[in-house]
Amino acid sequence: DGGITQSPKYLFRKEGQNVTLSCEQNLNHDAMYWYRQDPGQGLRLIYYSQIVNDFQKGDIAEGYSVSREKKESFPLTVTSAQKNPTAFYLCASSIGGNLYNEQFFGPGTRLTVL
Amino acid sequence: AQKVTQAQTEISVVEKEDVTLDCVYETRDTTYYLFWYKQPPSGELVFLIRRNSFDEQNEISGRYSWNFQKSTSSFNFTITASQVVDSAVYFCALSEANQGAQKLVFGQGTRLTINP
Repeated sequence: DGGITQSPKYLFRKEGQNVTLSCEQNLNHDAMYWYRQDPGQGLRLIYYSQIVNDFQKGDIAEGYSVSREKKESFPLTVTSAQKNPTAFYLCASSIGGNLYNEQFFGPGTRLTVL
Repeated sequence: AQKVTQAQTEISVVEKEDVTLDCVYETRDTTYYLFWYKQPPSGELVFLIRRNSFDEQNEISGRYSWNFQKSTSSFNFTITASQVVDSAVYFCALSEANQGAQKLVFGQGTRLTINP
């Protein structure tokens, strides 16, 4: 089945630790995205990538980093510089960066900082 | 700046009632797209519909219908004869161009609870 996988589903981290969230897609999509969702809020864009080896900051990139070494993979690292990292993280992909492209979402990773 | 407002934070109705979810947007672009997504308890967002700024025809898909009115900058979503399986958080989103890439601006979401 084609789709997006995110792992792990739940992640616990101690303060001061970096942690990497995995996102893989087998849809052959060029564009990939990372969003953060906080309770009662909409999704906010962290980073996005239109093509391999290229990515741009979204609205809330501070404290996060990404890489796009392969078309199907777009891992997100939450660094210790992120002040309030506890949230639900969603990865998405789309066939391209056109306005009309719908984005397909993964099941999400819930990160809790202890 | 682009903005999407879903003023209804939570809605609770009894099964079989009709329910409308409101979405109001702001944009300076003449060409844009609007989307609705459903987020069930599992967490994954599911695409429901896309509408472009030049097409104001209403859309109906089974029990779902959408009313797009540019004059009021609204893109409302109605569920007819609601069912318990419709319980979810629903997001309205606006697509904007950003350095040659697509960027989705999401509303805050409306949590819909259908009670049996």
